[in-house]
Amino acid sequence: EVQLVESGGDLIQPGGSLRLSCAASGLTVSTNYMSWVRQAPGKGLEWVSLIQSGGRTYHADSVKGRFTISRDNSKNTVYLQMHSLRAEDTAVYYCARSRPASTGASQPYYFDLWGQGTLVTVSS
Amino acid sequence: SYELTQPPSVSVSPGQTARITCSGDALPKKYAYWYQQKSGQAPVLVIYEDNKRPSGIPERFSGSSSGAMATLTISGAQVEDEADYYCYSTDTSGNHWVFGGGTKLTVI
Repeated sequence: EVQLVESGGDLIQPGGSLRLSCAASGLTVSTNYMSWVRQAPGKGLEWVSLIQSGGRTYHADSVKGRFTISRDNSKNTVYLQMHSLRAEDTAVYYCARSRPASTGASQPYYFDLWGQGTLVTVSS
Repeated sequence: SYELTQPPSVSVSPGQTARITCSGDALPKKYAYWYQQKSGQAPVLVIYEDNKRPSGIPERFSGSSSGAMATLTISGAQVEDEADYYCYSTDTSGNHWVFGGGTKLTVI
């Protein structure tokens, strides 16, 4: 069974740092595109970061310079390192496998497999 | 910043057809995707590349796109289809990937 399991969510003070983990089973993170998507309480979904199989990374403007996506192939795990956390970063963070569209180089990557999420709360 | 616009809510009776729209300036050239999210659960992909249905998704779910609007149609909506539905796509540059604000579907 293919599964993504997030961990690392916590209550953290503004300005603090946190690292989220996404452990994969049934798929190999190094040969897949992987993303983080977040959802603030009672709000909609927001794409955060993506790492391609080749290692290239992308980040939403709202987190650029503060968050970094990476992976450890030996552990088959994807990470999201978050720095300078703000109250508006409070959200459930989902790990998701991403797929490129079947045609068109400028089509969006989409998310076909999701974990259950981990909650990050930024508050003093 | 690029936006995809959805109605906040749609309500139908069981067995009726529910249609949820998503409008965006880039949709004439960009694929739309649809996600279903039930309360307390992770999102599930129900339509990809405008009108393709992943395996395991019931046939009553279909998608279409015309001009600047994409539509998710649930033919013969069931009570278990009550959920929030999000469209997803990108802007004309292909560099900003966004979700719509979500539509709460009520089936009563």
